[in-house]
Amino acid sequence: GAGVSQSPSNKVTEKGKDVELRCDPISGHTALYWYRQSLGQGLEFLIYFQGNSAPDKSGLPSDRFSAERTGGSVSTLTIQRTQQEDSAVYLCASSSGPGYEQYFGPGTRLTVT
Amino acid sequence: GQNIDQPTEMTATEGAIVQINCTYQTSGFNGLFWYQQHAGEAPTFLSYNVLDGLEEKGRFSSFLSRSKGYSYLLLKELQMKDSASYLCAVRPRTDKLIFGTGTRLQVFP
Repeated sequence: GAGVSQSPSNKVTEKGKDVELRCDPISGHTALYWYRQSLGQGLEFLIYFQGNSAPDKSGLPSDRFSAERTGGSVSTLTIQRTQQEDSAVYLCASSSGPGYEQYFGPGTRLTVT
Repeated sequence: GQNIDQPTEMTATEGAIVQINCTYQTSGFNGLFWYQQHAGEAPTFLSYNVLDGLEEKGRFSSFLSRSKGYSYLLLKELQMKDSASYLCAVRPRTDKLIFGTGTRLQVFP
């Protein structure tokens, strides 16, 4: 079956603009995660959705970052007033539930100029 | 705080065995994962340990000692395609993962 998909694959934006990154999880997966990977850094947890529970937003670096998950499926990560330090690869993952392995999407490479 | 350490880079020869170590200090422990990530690609799941001991899966094995905060990934009969980054990740309590910076493995012929 189809894996986790993300769009766009690459995004170049000017400092100060807003961007939206999209994630389509594997069908039926109830858990969805956002991470970001900066050059030379490990994956950094951003936010986690599980079913209808309130999301775990503990990893969001600032209030410029927000995420939604509509209908328990597709998720959108929004970064407002982008800064150069936001440049990174943003990875989405999904799993069939808490404790199960996470399947990652190909990521969105964000470059803020 | 949360801290996961692994070597930055390792090299090995095709056909050899390599061991990639990972030490962790986290507020809680609910499992340790190893992922493989080829350059420019998404991480793919390799192994999961929650109890002490060795988990074997083909050419790859992973070991965990919770008392020592230590794990290793053992790769046998190395192939050129094993050249990649190997990411150690710990699940402290909730389902989010805390990742180390990854170990870049280069396999030479």
